[in-house]
Amino acid sequence: DSGVTQTPKHLITATGQRVTLRCSPRSGDLSVYWYQQSLDQGLQFLIQYYNGEERAKGNILERFSAQQFPDLHSELNLSSLELGDSALYFCASSVASGSATGELFFGEGSRLTVL
Amino acid sequence: GESVGLHLPTLSVQEGDNSIINCAYSNSASDYFIWYKQESGKGPQFIIDIRSNMDKRQGQRVTVLLNKTVKHLSLQIAATQPGDSAVYFCAENRAAGNKLTFGGGTRVLVKP
Repeated sequence: DSGVTQTPKHLITATGQRVTLRCSPRSGDLSVYWYQQSLDQGLQFLIQYYNGEERAKGNILERFSAQQFPDLHSELNLSSLELGDSALYFCASSVASGSATGELFFGEGSRLTVL
Repeated sequence: GESVGLHLPTLSVQEGDNSIINCAYSNSASDYFIWYKQESGKGPQFIIDIRSNMDKRQGQRVTVLLNKTVKHLSLQIAATQPGDSAVYFCAENRAAGNKLTFGGGTRVLVKP
């Protein structure tokens, strides 16, 4: 158990809809990262927050947004969903934000299926 | 959490044998190179990392080798066990902030 909690574990929705994925980082971790794991592109970095502020952005679509709350949990909002958004969405956390070894602690993911 | 559907290269290894998983990277400016293991239904799990100024680093039953000349990274698993069956990803830490860039993954199947 990594200590990172993600909900829901599974989500099925229709095209055009909006969903919110939730992540609680490990106790004491200030950084939260979101990754997308799709069938054809592996693990893709979406966005990072550190202590409530956006710190780094990857290939995140404009239809997607995220935030980190004062209690450090984070939410990833996916809107106007398309079939291609079906994927596993992982949240990870780490203590620091700056350049470090790269050890992130991943949750078990939220599997999104868009029909 | 499995990488279902990805056309992953697969390494089949007999239990007890050593495994070698290879990875090519592209960015010479990366600070760290990291190996992650992803078991079916789970998220990636950190195994070991190596700093860019090192050639070799050993952990428990694992060794990571870095060849900067040819931009090649490898993970060696000694005495492979059934619990080592998983998808293994290499990753680069390219910039401040732990913005990891993952490689495509290799599936390891351990035969009893």
